[in-house]
Amino acid sequence: DAKTTQPNSMESNEEEPVHLPCNHSTISGTDYIHWYRQLPSQGPEYVIHGLTSNVNNRMASLAIAEDRKSSTLILHRATLRDAAVYYCILRENYGGSQGNLIFGKGTKLSVKP
Amino acid sequence: NAGVTQTPKFRVLKTGQSMTLLCAQDMNHEYMYWYRQDPGMGLRLIHYSVGEGTTAKGEVPDGYNVSRLKKQNFLLGLESAAPSQTSVYFCASQDSPGLAGSDTQYFGPGTRLTVL
Repeated sequence: DAKTTQPNSMESNEEEPVHLPCNHSTISGTDYIHWYRQLPSQGPEYVIHGLTSNVNNRMASLAIAEDRKSSTLILHRATLRDAAVYYCILRENYGGSQGNLIFGKGTKLSVKP
Repeated sequence: NAGVTQTPKFRVLKTGQSMTLLCAQDMNHEYMYWYRQDPGMGLRLIHYSVGEGTTAKGEVPDGYNVSRLKKQNFLLGLESAAPSQTSVYFCASQDSPGLAGSDTQYFGPGTRLTVL
């Protein structure tokens, strides 16, 4: 599986936008880019995913570079509840395979009031 | 709709004791997974199941066994617990490939296990 590189930690101020980067220079054409986050003492939760085009949902936006070698998760207005570890994960369209997620260490986001 | 639930939430074992962790999901998902998470690390796959009656090894299966007798339940067993198995255990489930929403994996709240 292709690997991702994320900063260990980032800080943000409450109600400001946050841009969380992820590098995936060895991404293949069939890899989807997924983001999960893990709030303190909880299981991971799905945030967003995309393949080539930018994606928006109620939680966040995902901006994917044209060459797909990097992506950015955008939280438009950070709240204290957004303080979590954010994982950028590549997944093949897993028909027939085991479909598990391969987690790195992620980026720990701190949000200051 | 409870999603994915895990029991127990916490457990302390002595070395050599055995226990079973229970994962249950009410979303009729085919795929289920057991992960472990050690401090400061991402999750690692222990075992997984792609359907009732089937199980397979993941990245770190040694010292664990699993069973999937019913579609909604996935059990993780430790036959002889060791201090190296002190960790937080997460269960997850997802749909089969090709179904709507199949890209999303749903996680339980975790079981914090300490082996003394």
